[in-house]
Amino acid sequence: TQLLEQSPQFLSIQEGENLTVYCNSSSVFSSLQWYRQEPGEGPVLLVTVVTGGEVKKLKRLTFQFGDARKDSSLHITAAQPGDTGLYLCAGGNETSGSRLTFGEGTQLTVNP
Amino acid sequence: DTGVSQDPRHKITKRGQNVTFRCDPISEHNRLYWYRQTLGQGPEFLTYFQNEAQLEKSRLLSDRFSAERPKGSFSTLEIQRTEQGDSAMYLCASSVGTRYGYTFGSGTRLTVV
Repeated sequence: TQLLEQSPQFLSIQEGENLTVYCNSSSVFSSLQWYRQEPGEGPVLLVTVVTGGEVKKLKRLTFQFGDARKDSSLHITAAQPGDTGLYLCAGGNETSGSRLTFGEGTQLTVNP
Repeated sequence: DTGVSQDPRHKITKRGQNVTFRCDPISEHNRLYWYRQTLGQGPEFLTYFQNEAQLEKSRLLSDRFSAERPKGSFSTLEIQRTEQGDSAMYLCASSVGTRYGYTFGSGTRLTVV
């Protein structure tokens, strides 16, 4: 069974602060994705990383895939209240067929 | 295309009743997934279709659960003899391939009383 562990589980910060969320596994993934989910809605895809060591930037968000493709991080610079939400990482590979395995999520609250 | 649509958005049912949810995926997507999510947890995989073929089912999917995707278009998820433990958000997603990511619907919130 492939598991993805996210840390921290909860994070409450002030507007303007920086933060990093981690996603770790003992399994290798061929691709890893980050989603953001708001209450009462489905997750929305933020980014997909496929190459070990890959770094992608999306405005104030920086995503990194570990060299061994077992872990990933999401860094947010100068967080804003609009960044509040549940951040989910999800991994996929050939042995899991076409489905993604999701972590339990990091609930981020950015206070004004 | 307006994305993935799920109906209903909310369903309250009495224990023991049957419920059916519908998902309309993005028309160009041949892959359709059902996940279940409880409060404070990440989505858990239930089942996956490629076109009309159901290719994988989770062990979470007991005999009371059945899913169909006739003609490879919309899909339905039926829960028979609902139990309080079935209360959750049921999410549908569609995709052209795992590494391209999923597009999720807004989910169906099921409450079993």
